[in-house]
Amino acid sequence: EDQVTQSPEALRLQEGESSSLNCSYTVSGLRGLFWYRQDPGKGPEFLFTLYSAGEEKEKERLKATLTKKESFLHITAPKPEDSATYLCAVQEGETSGSRLTFGEGTQLTVNP
Amino acid sequence: DGGITQSPKYLFRKEGQNVTLSCEQNLNHDAMYWYRQDPGQGLRLIYYSQIVNDFQKGDIAEGYSVSREKKESFPLTVTSAQKNPTAFYLCASSTNRQGSSNQPQHFGDGTRLSIL
Repeated sequence: EDQVTQSPEALRLQEGESSSLNCSYTVSGLRGLFWYRQDPGKGPEFLFTLYSAGEEKEKERLKATLTKKESFLHITAPKPEDSATYLCAVQEGETSGSRLTFGEGTQLTVNP
Repeated sequence: DGGITQSPKYLFRKEGQNVTLSCEQNLNHDAMYWYRQDPGQGLRLIYYSQIVNDFQKGDIAEGYSVSREKKESFPLTVTSAQKNPTAFYLCASSTNRQGSSNQPQHFGDGTRLSIL
């Protein structure tokens, strides 16, 4: 059974204080790892897809990296508007089609 | 604008009542999904459909039903058999072209269901 574990559950940062969120996974054959941002009362917003170990993607202050067992979402010099819950999800091999398995998320708060 | 529309935003259910949540997309996506999110938890898959007139159970399908009669619509019915229906329900869609099954899912803004 696929497992996706995110840590920490919650993270408080001061504006400008860089940090990383972790997503560790166990799947039989990774087809893609997805990062989403979710604001309160809203649906998740797609950020990145990573397909293979060693891959990196960047968007503004966010950078996602992938190894064979985990992914990191690095946040450089965060601003208060980066406060949100960050979710990761994995897509397994051919037999599960296009379905995703989600982690429980990391709630990020950036204080001014 | 292209996107996914969920309605209503808030819904209340009485004991023994079935309620239906609407999900419409104009992204021309083949695949659609329903998730449930409880406070402080991730998303759990209820049902998904990869093509019109076909759908599969997810991890927590008991007490729910769906239909997929049109490509753009995937309504979810929460039946009276679902004993703990209070949650945030999210609908998503994705392309499902051959060789592109690892495309991201795009989400609507959810329906919050509560028990009266």
